[in-house]
Amino acid sequence: EVQLLESGGAFVQAGGSLRLSCVSSGLIFSSYDMSWVRQAPGKGLEWVSSISASGDSTKYADSVEGRFSISRDNSRNTLFLQIKSLRAEDTAIYFCAKRDCPSPGCRFGAPLLDNWGQGTLVTVSS
Amino acid sequence: EVVMTQSPATLSVSPGERATLSCRASQTIQGALAWYQQKPGQAPRLLISAASNRATGIPARFSGSGSGTEFTLIINSLQPEDVAVYYCLQYGNWPPITFGQGTRVDIK
Repeated sequence: EVQLLESGGAFVQAGGSLRLSCVSSGLIFSSYDMSWVRQAPGKGLEWVSSISASGDSTKYADSVEGRFSISRDNSRNTLFLQIKSLRAEDTAIYFCAKRDCPSPGCRFGAPLLDNWGQGTLVTVSS
Repeated sequence: EVVMTQSPATLSVSPGERATLSCRASQTIQGALAWYQQKPGQAPRLLISAASNRATGIPARFSGSGSGTEFTLIINSLQPEDVAVYYCLQYGNWPPITFGQGTRVDIK
């Protein structure tokens, strides 16, 4: 069974930084593109960023480009999201999610997200 | 960016009745459309991929259809455990992948 467990969420001041982590189990982590999706309190889902299975390609939403950095450590089955210059509008639950199809069969591309973690809450105080 | 528009915002359905949810894309996405169910305090759960393919373990009362820009999720014989918010996701044109704003399904 695939399991994704996020951590690192916190209450922080605007302008601060955080690093979120997502530890995976039950899958060959290094074979799958991974993504972060966030959900502001009481709101809908917003894609944030994706990274290729090898870690050499990344994509970002315009709203976070230049402030967020996605990375991964395949030796530790862990996905990261470094967040800088936090704003009140970054307050959200951050979910990590796995793409449905593995590389190399699937090249880095638009991800259908099939497994999600339970999320970690980031609260930014202005 | 492909804008996804879901309707209605809220749907109240009697137990055992059918719920019909719609999702419209601002441009064609072929069949690259997924549906998710999210219950309070939980992560989204994949129900349907490629517009009409049920994910593993999803009951047969959930079905999806559509192509191009118009898509539909039908929940036949609504059960109490189906109360949730349902989101559509387009993954045919990125970045970004984009979600609809959600349809809340309640029991009447």
